[in-house]
Amino acid sequence: RKEVEQDPGPFNVPEGATVAFNCTYSNSASQSFFWYRQDCRKEPKLLMSVYSSGNEDGRFTAQLNRASQYISLLIRDSKLSDSATYLCVVTGSSNTGKLIFGQGTTLQVKP
Amino acid sequence: EPEVTQTPSHQVTQMGQEVILRCVPISNHLYFYWYRQILGQKVEFLVSFYNNEISEKSEIFDDQFSVERPDGSNFTLKIRSTKLEDSAMYFCASKPRTTNYGYTFGSGTRLTVV
Repeated sequence: RKEVEQDPGPFNVPEGATVAFNCTYSNSASQSFFWYRQDCRKEPKLLMSVYSSGNEDGRFTAQLNRASQYISLLIRDSKLSDSATYLCVVTGSSNTGKLIFGQGTTLQVKP
Repeated sequence: EPEVTQTPSHQVTQMGQEVILRCVPISNHLYFYWYRQILGQKVEFLVSFYNNEISEKSEIFDDQFSVERPDGSNFTLKIRSTKLEDSAMYFCASKPRTTNYGYTFGSGTRLTVV
């Protein structure tokens, strides 16, 4: 089983659409959870951290379900500039801060 | 905003040659990392470095790889004898403290082995 699993997509949506990405992780000892955004051939950039209580940042909402080891990201009112690859990321079980990345889900927002 | 700086942005090398990838982490950060991303694949952890020693390394990080923080500012990744399969983007990252927040990635070095 992959450590972090995501549907690679691509998700092709019109501007203004709501899109949801899901992710599962295998290590129940993971402590921290994130969504990163990666543009083509660029470095990953933190989009938001994910908490069990759920958190929202503008049009983006992230949710963590520790019991089912499931993480989600919801993007409302998609913009053309949201087109990117979204990476689900968890920390390893050691205390070194190692990040474990999913393969990423590609989003293409079309006019 | 403080940045993690990586040089060069692109390096082409012949198979069997040694390469050194350079990184300048954010100055007050304490934890340093190298990751790689082969084209079309996921970002993979290579090594973590804290208190002047390796704290964790992956299976990828074999005897051909080494890391150094020679002068308190630079953080380098050396590949002793490059193989074609070492072609990838290499990202350096750093974070300030024991929490898992505040991670910052550099813009990467694209290594092409020919």
